[in-house]
Amino acid sequence: GNSVTQMEGPVTLSEEAFLTINCTYTATGYPSLFWYVQYPGEGLQLLLKATKADDKGSNKGFEATYRKETTSFHLEKGSVQVSDSAVYFCALTPSNTGKLIFGQGTTLQVKP
Amino acid sequence: DAGITQSPRHKVTETGTPVTLRCHQTENHRYMYWYRQDPGHGLRLIHYSYGVKDTDKGEVSDGYSVSRSKTEDFLLTLESATSSQTSVYFCAISRGEAAVEETQYFGPGTRLLVL
Repeated sequence: GNSVTQMEGPVTLSEEAFLTINCTYTATGYPSLFWYVQYPGEGLQLLLKATKADDKGSNKGFEATYRKETTSFHLEKGSVQVSDSAVYFCALTPSNTGKLIFGQGTTLQVKP
Repeated sequence: DAGITQSPRHKVTETGTPVTLRCHQTENHRYMYWYRQDPGHGLRLIHYSYGVKDTDKGEVSDGYSVSRSKTEDFLLTLESATSSQTSVYFCAISRGEAAVEETQYFGPGTRLLVL
């Protein structure tokens, strides 16, 4: 079946530290991969996505590369800010189904 | 902003009562979804719709029904609420027409407490 596994949180970093949140997936076919972010008290917002192997999604200084050989889509940012504190969800859509399958979410806390 | 509103935003109800949550969109998109968010589970798909009167079940549909009589509204009903349905419920839309586009846009959520 299809599933997404994220690293356990919370992740606590100091401002300007390097961020990695690991995400691995299991899927049949050729899924699209996503990172969504949820700020406190809000709904989810798309952060970035990649639709085929070796694609790199990027937005707001965050990046993730679709690695088919390792079935991974790790989220990275070179220098986090306090405003990046949020819950981050990795997700996939199996080919052309439109159904999102989410990981359990990773809480990021950035301290000044 | 995908023009999605959800109502109510907060609700407290008692076990055994029916509850209906509403999702409204202003852009007439074809595809709409209902998810629930629970700690340790991320978001899980309850039901989805690919047009007026066209709906299908998701991963966790037991105890829930949906209706879509107009393009802009997608209703989620808990037929007889249980404490296990205490959750945050999110509606989402995707913007594809001829084929489903994969990026989904989420509403602000409804926080439901079943006592």
